[in-house]
Amino acid sequence: DAGVTQSPTHLIKTRGQQVTLRCSPKSGHDTVSWYQQALGQGPQFIFQYYEEEERQRGNFPDRFSGHQFPNYSSELNVNALLLGDSALYLCASRSRKGIYNEQFFGPGTRLTVL
Amino acid sequence: QKEVEQDPGPLSVPEGAIVSLNCTYSNSAFQYFMWYRQYSRKGPELLMYTYSSGNKEDGRFTAQVDKSSKYISLFIRDSQPSDSATYLCAMRGFFGNEKLTFGTGTRLTIIP
Repeated sequence: DAGVTQSPTHLIKTRGQQVTLRCSPKSGHDTVSWYQQALGQGPQFIFQYYEEEERQRGNFPDRFSGHQFPNYSSELNVNALLLGDSALYLCASRSRKGIYNEQFFGPGTRLTVL
Repeated sequence: QKEVEQDPGPLSVPEGAIVSLNCTYSNSAFQYFMWYRQYSRKGPELLMYTYSSGNKEDGRFTAQVDKSSKYISLFIRDSQPSDSATYLCAMRGFFGNEKLTFGTGTRLTIIP
């Protein structure tokens, strides 16, 4: 079982650019959530997807958008990058048929905005 | 005021000691409580989750919840150098609210 996978591992962008991060959930999982973890902080909830729709959103601006595909994989898009968007972006997955609180995180994508 | 407060440490203890990690929270809507372990440059790994007030034990780990005081703890017995990591508490509301609210994490080092 590969677990939750994310790509790329690292990414460097400049202010104003756009970025797309990708996540493949753990096998058997159908729900994906995205979190932003700034250095020295706990993860902050961005949004959650299941059945290809955004179901819940945290306190993030519209520059942050996402998508879920029929195979349950997901993308996080960030437009008009700011220096403050530099962080570790984590994807978490779970099964809606499984234990409610068992949510598994991927290794993250480290985004640096210059 | 943050919804979840956690002492960032760092915390250093000798191998074999009992470690106590704590979080307090202010939002009464939180009903489920989790502890995650995060190694450097890795994603968080779920250690334990609890719902009701009281203790839950899993091997060397014990999670404790006191809803009346809005206080949760994680105890690690017989600590090992491999336990050196950042420990994050996380909380969520009832079913249907998927958002996890995390503490800032406590960096723990076990000294051999």
